[in-house]
This record gives sequence, structure tokens and C-alpha cells, in this order.
Amino acid sequence: NAGVMQNPRHLVRRRGQEARLRCSPMKGHSHVYWYRQLPEEGLKFMVYLQKENIIDESGMPKERFSAEFPKEGPSILRIQQVVRGDSAAYFCASSLRPGTDTQYFGPGTRLTVL
Amino acid sequence: GENVEQHPSTLSVQEGDSAVIKCTYSDSASNYFPWYKQELGKRPQLIIDIRSNVGEKKDQRIAVTLNKTAKHFSLHITETQPEDSAVYFCAASITGNQFYFGTGTSLTVIP
Repeated sequence: NAGVMQNPRHLVRRRGQEARLRCSPMKGHSHVYWYRQLPEEGLKFMVYLQKENIIDESGMPKERFSAEFPKEGPSILRIQQVVRGDSAAYFCASSLRPGTDTQYFGPGTRLTVL
Repeated sequence: GENVEQHPSTLSVQEGDSAVIKCTYSDSASNYFPWYKQELGKRPQLIIDIRSNVGEKKDQRIAVTLNKTAKHFSLHITETQPEDSAVYFCAASITGNQFYFGTGTSLTVIP
């Protein structure tokens, strides 16, 4: 049973470009969560999605960031017009059920903005 | 929202000794408390979790205790081994929609 998959693992962008991060949840999981981890810091919640729905985006910056989880295909975290402060590791996690259910993390995408 | 504090930020122990990491949370509605281990450059891995209807849970060398009244929970690792060296994160969840993470404890086990 494949775990949570993320790609790319490393992404380098210049300021002003767009970054697209992909997350495929574990088989059978329909709940996806995105977290951001700055260097030597903890994980900060960004957004929680179910198929075709954003359930909780209270941790998402109001501008430049968006997320989707279409009926078919992976969840996408999109960052427009990246700035140096966006450099971080972005992890997604998935769970089988909502509520207090175990979240399994992907390997992360390390975004570097030059 | 919930606020989770974690101590200590760094911890060094001799191989074979015990390690204890403590976390406090602010929202009494939190009812799920997982612990994750993250090795350098790798994904967080769940190592143990506890729900609010339980005071203690043990899995081989790892145990977690929860004090709901005081709003704190702790991770205990006994008979530490060098491969236990990693960053450990506690988290608290109210609805399960999002986890509120502590800032992490970097554990070093000295052979």
C-alpha cells in the first residue's frame, strides 16, 4: 500500500514565478491536509480539503495561495508570484476519516525561492 | 485557536537512559494528541497517539501520558538507542481538521 506521495520533492523558483505542489493521498483516503514547515520550526496548518471541497482554509495566506483537490487526480497547492519568504518545506497529509483520525504525511516538497 | 507549547527544545541523553518530552495545550476541547518523529530531511512519522478518554498508552519503549485537568501530555522513551535521535513533535487536535503542532524537540542519544 503506497503511502502519501508528493512531487516534486525539490522545487526551485525565482521571485515572481508560480509554484505548483502535488499530493496524492494514500489509497482510499479522501481527506487531505497541507502544512508548511519553516527551517527549524514546527508544522503550521494551511488547509484541509476533501474531494472537490475546501473544508478549512484558516491557515492559508489570503493572497497568492490556493489549493484544490479535484474529483480525479492529486491535490494541488498553488503559490503565485512567489517571494523569498515562501521558501519552506510543504507537507501534505491524508486520513481515512475526518475528525480525530490519524494523519499520514508525505515526504514533503522543499521549495526554494531565489 | 489552540496553542501548543513543547519543552525542551533540545535534549541529549546517554544511550540506555530515558527521555521525556512535555507539551501543554490551551484549549480544553482538544481531544486527540499524536506524537510524530521526524528524521532530518524526512517526513513526520506517527509514533504514538492518545485520545482524551485515556490517561496513558504504551507501545514497547514508548509511552504517552495525558493529564486533561492540567492540559498537558508527555512522551516517554525508555532504554534510548542512537536510532531514536530525531526531532519529535507533539500535536493537539480539536476537530481533527487541523493539528496544532508544538515547535519540536531535537533529541540526541549519545552512544
